[in-house]
Amino acid sequence: EADIYQTPRYLVIGTGKKITLECSQTMGHDKMYWYQQDPGMELHLIHYSYGVNSTEKGDLSSESTVSRIRTEHFPLTLESARPSHTSQYLCASSEKGTGDVEQYFGPGTRLTVT
Amino acid sequence: AQSVTQLGSHVSVSEGALVLLRCNYSSSVPPYLFWYVQYPNQGLQLLLKYTSAATLVKGINGFEAEFKKSETSFHLTKPSAHMSDAAEYFCAVTSWAGSYQLTFGKGTKLSVIP
Repeated sequence: EADIYQTPRYLVIGTGKKITLECSQTMGHDKMYWYQQDPGMELHLIHYSYGVNSTEKGDLSSESTVSRIRTEHFPLTLESARPSHTSQYLCASSEKGTGDVEQYFGPGTRLTVT
Repeated sequence: AQSVTQLGSHVSVSEGALVLLRCNYSSSVPPYLFWYVQYPNQGLQLLLKYTSAATLVKGINGFEAEFKKSETSFHLTKPSAHMSDAAEYFCAVTSWAGSYQLTFGKGTKLSVIP
């Protein structure tokens, strides 16, 4: 069982609010990822990190930002939420290594911006 | 560049029948291939992975997949469907692109009819 946690699980918030989606893992993984998932669509990588103080943007452009101050914590922030940000956000982590390493996923945060 | 195509966004099978979920990939270099399963309101869980060892890969819950390079396919099968197999299934590919990023297909939702 993967030990990766996301809070909140569901969030309904008004336009213009600042929000932070939390992601924590207890496996000591160096690599962490944020994906955006819309119904009927593929998961898109929006941010990733290879370790503390390392963050990179993924394939899908996103107005969100991330930080990695501690190995186990990888929060995602939206400074001003808009309805276009409505989606499911999945956090994942993996060990260092080559492409055959498994990514472990959290349960996701379903965000609705009204 | 790499991509994944999953044929059929929705597949229905009867309980006890063969499950076949199709996945074709494109990759300019030898790939690593994965199948993940997502149950409602949960994150993704790894079913199995191909990492250039055996071409027939066995995974959890009785699933297996065969890597066919000539067909650029990695179809997922299970001989006998169970009600608990109802979920969404994602095929993913990764290869060295500076970061071993996963590219996902759009997913196939499997329904099992009693």
